[in-house]
Amino acid sequence: DQQVKQNSPSLSVQEGRISILNCDYTNSMFDYFLWYKKYPAEGPTFLISISSIKDKNEDGRFTVFLNKSAKHLSLHIVPSQPGDSAVYFCAASDRGSQGNLIFGKGTKLSVKP
Amino acid sequence: DAGVIQSPRHEVTEMGQEVTLRCKPISGHNSLFWYRQTMMRGLELLIYFNNNVPIDDSGMPEDRFSAKMPNASFSTLKIQPSEPRDSAVYFCASSLGVRKAFFGQGTRLTVV
Repeated sequence: DQQVKQNSPSLSVQEGRISILNCDYTNSMFDYFLWYKKYPAEGPTFLISISSIKDKNEDGRFTVFLNKSAKHLSLHIVPSQPGDSAVYFCAASDRGSQGNLIFGKGTKLSVKP
Repeated sequence: DAGVIQSPRHEVTEMGQEVTLRCKPISGHNSLFWYRQTMMRGLELLIYFNNNVPIDDSGMPEDRFSAKMPNASFSTLKIQPSEPRDSAVYFCASSLGVRKAFFGQGTRLTVV
């Protein structure tokens, strides 16, 4: 059973518009969430994270929102740029796991010029 | 820092052969993770080590898979014998005391 779900395999957005990537989780023990970005032939790179004590974290063009009651988080990219085109993975962990991350299957974002 | 280093970047082998993937974590990191990426299952955690000790290997698919971490700067993932369904990209990642892992560039394994 998947504990972290990204239900949209792909997303296409026009340059300059907002990209919204969604992620749902089932394990109520998760208390830390991360987004990773992955380009072809490279490993995933950390993008932004959020602790369960917060509902929003912002870093430049990237904002992550957490809705604990709905077990849902989202990544907003504003404005979207062609260089943002990549696969985005949502990940989660719980305090007792000693740091191992459970990943979703990823969403491929295409930002068109 | 050179980051997490994996070798080889690409490996093509015949079914039944032994395959060994190698990883050098970031110096000073105390946790190391092996992940496998496939189209069907996405990024799956295979095993992780903390201070060179295997903590959770429940993700290792079969006894054909084994992983070792003889010291803080080196780990191997071995598949013996390999099968075509093992074809995937294998990632190694490391972290230090925080829940943010740094990934290597991966090894693309093809078993024919």
